[in-house]
Amino acid sequence: DVKVTQSSRYLVKRTGEKVFLECVQDMDHENMFWYRQDPGLGLRLIYFSYDVKMKEKGDIPEGYSVSREKKERFSLILESASTNQTSMYLCASRPAGQQETQYFGPGTRLLVL
Amino acid sequence: TQLLEQSPQFLSIQEGENLTVYCNSSSVFSSLQWYRQEPGEGPVLLVTVVTGGEVKKLKRLTFQFGDARKDSSLHITAAQPGDTGLYLCAGAWSGNTGKLIFGQGTTLQVKP
Repeated sequence: DVKVTQSSRYLVKRTGEKVFLECVQDMDHENMFWYRQDPGLGLRLIYFSYDVKMKEKGDIPEGYSVSREKKERFSLILESASTNQTSMYLCASRPAGQQETQYFGPGTRLLVL
Repeated sequence: TQLLEQSPQFLSIQEGENLTVYCNSSSVFSSLQWYRQEPGEGPVLLVTVVTGGEVKKLKRLTFQFGDARKDSSLHITAAQPGDTGLYLCAGAWSGNTGKLIFGQGTTLQVKP
């Protein structure tokens, strides 16, 4: 079974803090994604990576950065957390070349005070 | 601009009733997927439809892809409390490195 894990299920941070969200997949997938999920808005793509050290902006990259130093790990960074970044963050991965199935982690619920 | 409009956003029904969720767009997709998400978990893929007019069945769930590949529907027959959850449709375009565009989601509550 594909397993995508996220470092924390719940996080509480203060405005201005630097926040790291980690995602690890164990199936040697090339592509990895970070989404945020907000009520009534569905999932919105923040960044994605189609290979190690490769990254591309999604639909809402402002205020975020990412790092992919190893194939299995994709990190989302909030350089200076703000209250409007309070959300559920979902990581996903998929193998390159397959039909577009994405495998999701359980999510990290982030509260920025 | 939401490229995928999903309706209804909320649905509360009694066990045994039927329901349909719709996913509509002005864009043509190479494929469309349906996911189900339970509280505290990530979305899990239910089905992928690829061909215009395609119909797929998964037990009591029937998925249809529109002829023009712009819309899709999910029909649940005789809903059960275990069907409760958030249903998401997601569209993909060919050659875009696997990116998906998601609808807003439909929260389904099936009461016993």
